Amino acid sequence: DVKVTQSSRYLVKRTGEKVFLECVQDMDHENMFWYRQDPGLGLRLIYFSYDVKMKEKGDIPEGYSVSREKKERFSLILESASTNQTSMYLCASSLALGTYEQYFGPGTRLTVT
Amino acid sequence: KQEVTQIPAALSVPEGENLVLNCSFTDSAIYNLQWFRQDPGKGLTSLLLIQSSQREQTSGRLNASLDKSSGRSTLYIAASQPGDSATYLCAVRGSGTYKYIFGTGTRLKVLA
Repeated sequence: DVKVTQSSRYLVKRTGEKVFLECVQDMDHENMFWYRQDPGLGLRLIYFSYDVKMKEKGDIPEGYSVSREKKERFSLILESASTNQTSMYLCASSLALGTYEQYFGPGTRLTVT
Repeated sequence: KQEVTQIPAALSVPEGENLVLNCSFTDSAIYNLQWFRQDPGKGLTSLLLIQSSQREQTSGRLNASLDKSSGRSTLYIAASQPGDSATYLCAVRGSGTYKYIFGTGTRLKVLA
């Protein structure tokens, strides 16, 4: 079974803090994704990585950056957390571009106060 | 721009009913469509993936169909159980893109 894990289930940070969200997959998947999920807006793609050190912006990259130094690990960084970044953050991975399905982690509920 | 709609937003049914969840998309040039289940406060669990060349996929009590020309997919759940209570999401990947566009989901409650 594919396993995608996220470093924290719940996180509370203060405005202006730098926040790191980590995601690890154990199936040698090439592609990894970061989404945020908000009520009424659904899932929106923040960043995508198709290989180590390779990344592409999704639909809402502002205020975020990412890092992929190893194939299994994809980190989302909030450079200076703001209250409008309070959300559920979901990481996903897939074997490759093409027909392969996405597998999701359990999510991190981030609250910025 | 691809838009994905799921109607209804919420649905309550008695246990044992067969039910259909709907997913509509505006651009028929899709690569594949994936159905997910999400329990409250949790991540997404993949249920079924349909390629653009396929008409349907089945897994246990679940059957998903795809009609690209009309921009529609349905998820059929047979003999519903209280354990099926969750939010069901569909996501569409367009041709020539890595992005999945998600619907906002249908929240299903199966009453015992």
